[in-house]
Amino acid sequence: SQTIHQWPATLVQPVGSPLSLECTVEGTSNPNLYWYRQAAGRGLQLLFYSVGIGQISSEVPQNLSASRPQDRQFILSSKKLLLSDSGFYLCAWRERDKKTSGANVLTFGAGSRLTVL
Amino acid sequence: SQQGEEDPQALSIQEGENATMNCSYKTSINNLQWYRQNSGRGLVHLILIRSNEREKHSGRLRVTLDTSKKSSSLLITASRAADTASYFCAWAVGWGKFQFGAGTQVVVTP
Repeated sequence: SQTIHQWPATLVQPVGSPLSLECTVEGTSNPNLYWYRQAAGRGLQLLFYSVGIGQISSEVPQNLSASRPQDRQFILSSKKLLLSDSGFYLCAWRERDKKTSGANVLTFGAGSRLTVL
Repeated sequence: SQQGEEDPQALSIQEGENATMNCSYKTSINNLQWYRQNSGRGLVHLILIRSNEREKHSGRLRVTLDTSKKSSSLLITASRAADTASYFCAWAVGWGKFQFGAGTQVVVTP
């Protein structure tokens, strides 16, 4: 079965420090992978998506970057965190919905909560 | 902006009552999806309705879609305390990307 892991689950970092959030997927190959950010009480903002190793599309200009060094690994990074980078970061992968014979749906990890102080 | 809207933003009901939330979107879609998010957790896919469908049921969930109005609704019947969560609609925009509504926070009290 397919599973998706995110870590760390919780992170408190000072302004100006670096960041690395990791996401790995098991049980599938060549998945489309996504990073979303969710501000408190808000909807999801797509940050990056990747269709394959080394292929990253950025959706919004920001202080963050993403990398995909391996097929099932997706990393979100920052060299210097800002206060505005605080939020709940969600990794997801796209799979075929078994109940609707093929439509694409997203499966999410448990999330990483980042607080920048 | 390709974002949609959901209303209400928050909904508080008692167990046994029905909960209805609405979603509006701005683009043409092939399907519209609903997800649930328990507090502090990732989203879980609930149900998908295709653009050529008007209504779909799954257990206590009922989804409607009106493509002429670019709107969808999610009805949860006979709510339980365990239904307390935020609910999001989502749709594909461009190739392989998904846009989410702002969400409706539902609180079901015993």
